[in-house]
Amino acid sequence: EAGVTQFPSHSVIEKGQTVTLRCDPISGHDNLYWYRRVMGKEIKFLLHFVKESKQDESGMPNNRFLAERTGGTYSTLKVQPAELEDSGVYFCASSERPNDYEQYFGPGTRLTVT
Amino acid sequence: AQSVTQPDIHITVSEGASLELRCNYSYGATPYLFWYVQSPGQGLQLLLKYFSGDTLVQGIKGFEAEFKRSQSSFNLRKPSVHWSDAAEYFCAVGPPFGNEKLTFGTGTRLTIIP
Repeated sequence: EAGVTQFPSHSVIEKGQTVTLRCDPISGHDNLYWYRRVMGKEIKFLLHFVKESKQDESGMPNNRFLAERTGGTYSTLKVQPAELEDSGVYFCASSERPNDYEQYFGPGTRLTVT
Repeated sequence: AQSVTQPDIHITVSEGASLELRCNYSYGATPYLFWYVQSPGQGLQLLLKYFSGDTLVQGIKGFEAEFKRSQSSFNLRKPSVHWSDAAEYFCAVGPPFGNEKLTFGTGTRLTIIP
């Protein structure tokens, strides 16, 4: 069974540009989470999808971030326009059932904004 | 607001030596508690979790953790480390209800020396 995959593994963009990160959850997992780790800091929750619906987006930093999950399968996280403070590692996780805390994480996308 | 503190940013231990990684949390009630490990190039992998019951929890790869309510701690231990244990370790908490929104610590990087 394939795990959670994320693309790209690393992205370097200039301030003001747009970047789209993609996450493919484990097949059949309705719950999808995005987290972010800024260098040296803790991993922070961004948002949670249940199928295609946003269940909780309380961690999204501002309106430059847009997450979608069309069709309830893969998800994208777009940053537009990117700022220097957006640099970090973006993790995606998925789980099959809510409240059993069996989240499977992807390897992350390292975003560098210069 | 909930928070997780991992006071040790980096720990170095000799192969075969014992290990203890510290974790303290601040939370309104007793949360669910977790330890994750991230090896280079990999996603976060769940080592163990505590929901309730026996305060000594066994996990994968020979790790265990002890929940101490009076100290708001959930320290991770291993009696004898292997070179393959070199990785970054994250302590996390989550609400005992709701949407599995994890709050992580800043991580402890473990280096193993021969």
